[in-house]
Amino acid sequence: NAGVTQTPKFQVLKTGQSMTLQCAQDMNHEYMSWYRQDPGMGLRLIHYSVGAGITDQGEVPNGYNVSRSTTEDFPLRLLSAAPSQTSVYFCASGRGSRDYNEQFFGPGTRLTVL
Amino acid sequence: LAKTTQPISMDSYEGQEVNITCSHNNIATNDYITWYQQFPSQGPRFIIQGYKTKVTNEVASLFIPADRKSSTLSLPRVSLSDTAVYYCLVEKLRNNAGNMLTFGGGTRLMVKP
Repeated sequence: NAGVTQTPKFQVLKTGQSMTLQCAQDMNHEYMSWYRQDPGMGLRLIHYSVGAGITDQGEVPNGYNVSRSTTEDFPLRLLSAAPSQTSVYFCASGRGSRDYNEQFFGPGTRLTVL
Repeated sequence: LAKTTQPISMDSYEGQEVNITCSHNNIATNDYITWYQQFPSQGPRFIIQGYKTKVTNEVASLFIPADRKSSTLSLPRVSLSDTAVYYCLVEKLRNNAGNMLTFGGGTRLMVKP
């Protein structure tokens, strides 16, 4: 299994540009999520999905859109990039059971907005 | 969600046992305690999860007292490669409903030779 994969690894955008961060998992997990991590800080939840066709907002959703058309993929769209969105973005997936929850994180995408 | 408090940083030496304590005074009855490890430029990695008493796996032990208002992650005989940030999280486990993780600032562990 490749686990959770993210592309690209690095990206530089200009203010106002849009782009999509890709995330895919091959573990057949229902639950997927996106986090951002600013320097020296913990991760903050942007959006999450509990299954194909179902998405919801996390703690910091403004400026981002998501969709979940398949179990495997969960892309994150930046609609109009702003310098405040400069961060490292992590995608995660997991099963979300009542007895045990281990979430698997991707390697991250480092985004700089100029 | 229960708020967690843990030391900002800790230093240790190779071969020592490291104990990182996390306070979660407002933990609810159906909350679990989970620890993640994060190396620089990598995503967090699950270490261990527990509800009460003691849980042990091949990497660490988790000690949870009866009142569950705190927990201690124990790393036996650390090596330089254990230098990382360790996050304590409190989460509700639910079937098929997703588990949103709330990360605090974590504890930055530095292992010295």
